[in-house]
Amino acid sequence: ETGVTQSPTHLIKTRGQQVTLRCSSQSGHNTVSWYQQALGQGPQFIFQYYREEENGRGNFPPRFSGLQFPNYSSELNVNALELDDSALYLCASSLDTTYEQYFGPGTRLTVT
Amino acid sequence: GNSVTQMEGPVTLSEEAFLTINCTYTATGYPSLFWYVQYPGEGLQLLLKATKADDKGSNKGFEATYRKETTSFHLEKGSVQVSDSAVYFCALSQGAGNMLTFGGGTRLMVKP
Repeated sequence: ETGVTQSPTHLIKTRGQQVTLRCSSQSGHNTVSWYQQALGQGPQFIFQYYREEENGRGNFPPRFSGLQFPNYSSELNVNALELDDSALYLCASSLDTTYEQYFGPGTRLTVT
Repeated sequence: GNSVTQMEGPVTLSEEAFLTINCTYTATGYPSLFWYVQYPGEGLQLLLKATKADDKGSNKGFEATYRKETTSFHLEKGSVQVSDSAVYFCALSQGAGNMLTFGGGTRLMVKP
């Protein structure tokens, strides 16, 4: 059974640019959650997708947007990148919204 | 809103020493509580969990008891190993979607 995978592993972008991060959920999981982990801090919830619909959102501006596809993989898009967006972005999948979450290895985004 | 507070690190111990990492939470009702571990360069792994008051979660020699009266979920291990060196995160989930709220993390360093 394949776990949660994320791509790319590392990414460097310039302030003002746009970025797309990708996540493949674990087989059979229909729920994907995204978290931002700044250096030295705990992860913060960005949003969750359940069966292709947004199912909850944390305290992040609208320039953070997402998508979930019919195969339950997901994308996180960030527009107008700011320096403070530099972080590890973690994706987690679960069987559905009531089950525990399994995390991928993350994408390290650096904004210069 | 919900919040999790855990002791700041780093915590430095010698091999075979006793470990305690304190965690307290603020939430209405009865959240589920978790400990996650993050090894260098990796994502989060679920270490243990407890879903109701007085439950004890345990895994790989680690234990934590859900104490409703003190709103705490302290992590303990009787004898740490060098391989336990990592960052430990306390977290809670509550409500629809089981979105996780994390503490700031505690770095554990175990010396031979």
